[in-house]
Amino acid sequence: KNEVEQSPQNLTAQEGEFITINCSYSVGISALHWLQQHPGGGIVSLFMLSSGKKKHGRLIATINIQEKHSSLHITASHPRDSAVYICAVSPGYSGGGADGLTFGKGTHLIIQP
Amino acid sequence: DVKVTQSSRYLVKRTGEKVFLECVQDMDHENMFWYRQDPGLGLRLIYFSYDVKMKEKGDIPEGYSVSREKKERFSLILESASTNQTSMYLCASSPGGGKAFFGQGTRLTVV
Repeated sequence: KNEVEQSPQNLTAQEGEFITINCSYSVGISALHWLQQHPGGGIVSLFMLSSGKKKHGRLIATINIQEKHSSLHITASHPRDSAVYICAVSPGYSGGGADGLTFGKGTHLIIQP
Repeated sequence: DVKVTQSSRYLVKRTGEKVFLECVQDMDHENMFWYRQDPGLGLRLIYFSYDVKMKEKGDIPEGYSVSREKKERFSLILESASTNQTSMYLCASSPGGGKAFFGQGTRLTVV
């Protein structure tokens, strides 16, 4: 079973700061997901990536398959970015089925004005 | 936009009651999932389904069952609710090998 570790667990920063959240996993995967959860519970999928880098607005996600590591970056952070960010991985084997994601415990981010 | 809808945001049930949590998705996704989320433990997979009438146990299936009679609907059933099933329950759906979409969650309290 894959072990997914995120760091830091909690992060408080000032508006405008560059934010980095890290995720490492123990076993090969087919894809890595970055999710965002706001208070109230709803989860939004930010990125799904299996190699390289993806960018969407102020968010950038990178993955290094060899090192089993991914980072989520937020540039010019804003209080509305305050949320829990969760890293999740899809199992590495193919062949059908729908095995669920394995999740990290999340990073609780607070951006202060 | 893909929509995954869970029938209730908040539920309070008594110990021993049979509880149904419903989830509906509108994008014809093959795969559907039920997770629970607890402080300090993160999200854990209860059951998933990759087709109508097909189901597979996840990491913590004990005390739960599921039903998928139609492609768009995946139900989680607590046969006899217990206080340790108080949790946030999240449903998700995805196309084969694709991005997952989550519902808003149901916060269940068993008293």
